[in-house]
Amino acid sequence: QSALTQPASVSGSPGQSITISCTGTSSDVGGYKYVSWYQQHPGKAPKLMIYDVSNRPSGVSNRFSGSKSGNTASLIISGLQAEDEGDYYCSSYTSSSTVVFGGGTKLTVL
Amino acid sequence: QVQLVESGGGLVKPGGSLRLSCATSGFTFSDYYMSWVRQAPGKGLECVSYISRSGSTIYYADSVKGRFTISRDNAKNSLYLQMNSLRAEDTALYYCAKYSRGWDFDYWGQGTLVTVSS
Repeated sequence: QSALTQPASVSGSPGQSITISCTGTSSDVGGYKYVSWYQQHPGKAPKLMIYDVSNRPSGVSNRFSGSKSGNTASLIISGLQAEDEGDYYCSSYTSSSTVVFGGGTKLTVL
Repeated sequence: QVQLVESGGGLVKPGGSLRLSCATSGFTFSDYYMSWVRQAPGKGLECVSYISRSGSTIYYADSVKGRFTISRDNAKNSLYLQMNSLRAEDTALYYCAKYSRGWDFDYWGQGTLVTVSS
């Protein structure tokens, strides 16, 4: 199962909005509603930020939102803050009955 | 609160074996699928294996199939990963992760480091 495709890095200034894309195929992202996004700070475990394409777990800021169109999912972070800096990973359920992750995107807050 | 605590990592020679454990608390362990997810140094995440609530359904990534065995003890609220025939490319931080009701991981442990080197 190939990893989902994410940009290696994105950046933005405080207060701005950024979008991280996650491209798969009809056998994963495009075929199911089970796309998730995780935030990881250095030396820490991943944290679930979005599940089922666009749902936020309790406690996650509403500045984080998710969407999907065809085989590409997106994570949108609005009102960028310094604490948002870190690595972001998407994941999707697949037709092989497992979960595949994206390669990760490093977000830099300028 | 939900807690996942991994143990059992360490330095092992190629071809060696290790058994990872994950002790859980704060939720009804037997109600959830569980998984081991690894992260090689400076790399991304890989779902290595998962196990269903009763243990009747098990998945292994191709990279570990035939070498790793996942298991669980619902009476002890614990998850295990027996790793045999270890290779240098198995070097990674191994996370124990809990599935939500869907296909996302809503809780993660802090990880246990496995280093395979001669």
